Amino acid sequence: KAGVTQTPRYLIKTRGQQVTLSCSPISGHRSVSWYQQTPGQGLQFLFEYFSETQRNKGNFPGRFSGRQFSNSRSEMNVSTLELGDSALYLCASSKGQDTYFDGELFFGEGSRLTVL
Amino acid sequence: GENVEQHPSTLSVQEGDSAVIKCTYSDSASNYFPWYKQELGKGPQLIIDIRSNVGEKKDQRIAVTLNKTAKHFSLHITETQPEDSAVYFCAASNSFQKLVFGTGTRLLVSP
Repeated sequence: KAGVTQTPRYLIKTRGQQVTLSCSPISGHRSVSWYQQTPGQGLQFLFEYFSETQRNKGNFPGRFSGRQFSNSRSEMNVSTLELGDSALYLCASSKGQDTYFDGELFFGEGSRLTVL
Repeated sequence: GENVEQHPSTLSVQEGDSAVIKCTYSDSASNYFPWYKQELGKGPQLIIDIRSNVGEKKDQRIAVTLNKTAKHFSLHITETQPEDSAVYFCAASNSFQKLVFGTGTRLLVSP
């Protein structure tokens, strides 16, 4: 069973540019979550999508956005990049059917973004 | 909102010793508490989890305890091995698939 796939794995951008990251969840999983990991702030929740609807959102500025497609694949976009956006962006998938946390989040290996 | 504190930030043990990592959470509505292991260059991997209606759960050398009254939960690893060396994160959740993570514990197991 294939795991969560994130592309690209590494990318370098300059301040002011925008970036789009992609995530393919495990087959059958309908929930996709995104997290930002930095040495200073740790792992922070960005947003979660289920059946193309955003169900939950973290405390990030509007420059951070996401979407989910009908096949459950998800993308996140960061516009007007800042130096502080340099981080490992992790995608996680789960079945996500219930309001109650229904089980394991499976994480991908992340997309490492460097902003120069 | 929820806040999770994790201690210690680093932990060094000898192979065969036990390791204990402790977390506290602030939101009494949190009902799911997973522990993740992250190895270098990889995403976090779930190693054990516990729900608020359970006080203790064990899986081979790993156990988790939860004290809802004190809002504490702990990870216990017995008979540690060098391959247990990694960063461990605790987390808490009270809403749709949203986890609030602790700051992580770097565990080093020396042969």
